[in-house]
Amino acid sequence: IAGITQAPTSQILAAGRRMTLRCTQDMRHNAMYWYRQDLGLGLRLIHYSNTAGTTGKGEVPDGYSVSRANTDDFPLTLASAVPSQTSVYFCASSDQAGGADTQYFGPGTRLTVL
Amino acid sequence: GQNIDQPTEMTATEGAIVQINCTYQTSGFNGLFWYQQHAGEAPTFLSYNVLDGLEEKGRFSSFLSRSKGYSYLLLKELQMKDSASYLCAVTTNDYKLSFGAGTTVTVRA
Repeated sequence: IAGITQAPTSQILAAGRRMTLRCTQDMRHNAMYWYRQDLGLGLRLIHYSNTAGTTGKGEVPDGYSVSRANTDDFPLTLASAVPSQTSVYFCASSDQAGGADTQYFGPGTRLTVL
Repeated sequence: GQNIDQPTEMTATEGAIVQINCTYQTSGFNGLFWYQQHAGEAPTFLSYNVLDGLEEKGRFSSFLSRSKGYSYLLLKELQMKDSASYLCAVTTNDYKLSFGAGTTVTVRA
């Protein structure tokens, strides 16, 4: 069982370019999440999805969009990347929404915007 | 947002005990998670406390006091592989998980 996979592992991107980070889980979890992790700030929630077909905004949603067409996939799109979006991005999933369920994290995508 | 505080760094000797404190100020508190994150890797689940008291899992224990907004993670019989960041995270009634900045623990021989 792979759990959660993310692609790419790392990426260097020119400012203004569009980028989609991919996330796929094979645990049939209902809820999925995108976080960014920056030094000294910890993990911050960007967007979440409680179930397929629904999405919601987290703490730092500006400049990002998500979709949840099916249970397994939860891509994160940067429409026009800016240097402040340089970060490590983690996708996570949990069996149920509600925060009390353990979240399982993917290996992360290291994104550098120049 | 939530206010979650934990020390930035701690250093301890192999075989020793280290206690990582976490204080939080939040509304609609539901429970508190501890995650471990090795450098360059994903966070992995360690513990979840909902009720006051101590939960023990092998060498790791986690304590929660809801009235004081306080938790700690206790690591006993430290091993070199325990060198990692430890993340305190609070879950609230709005179904969100908020993380502290993490505590980097360095275990020295």
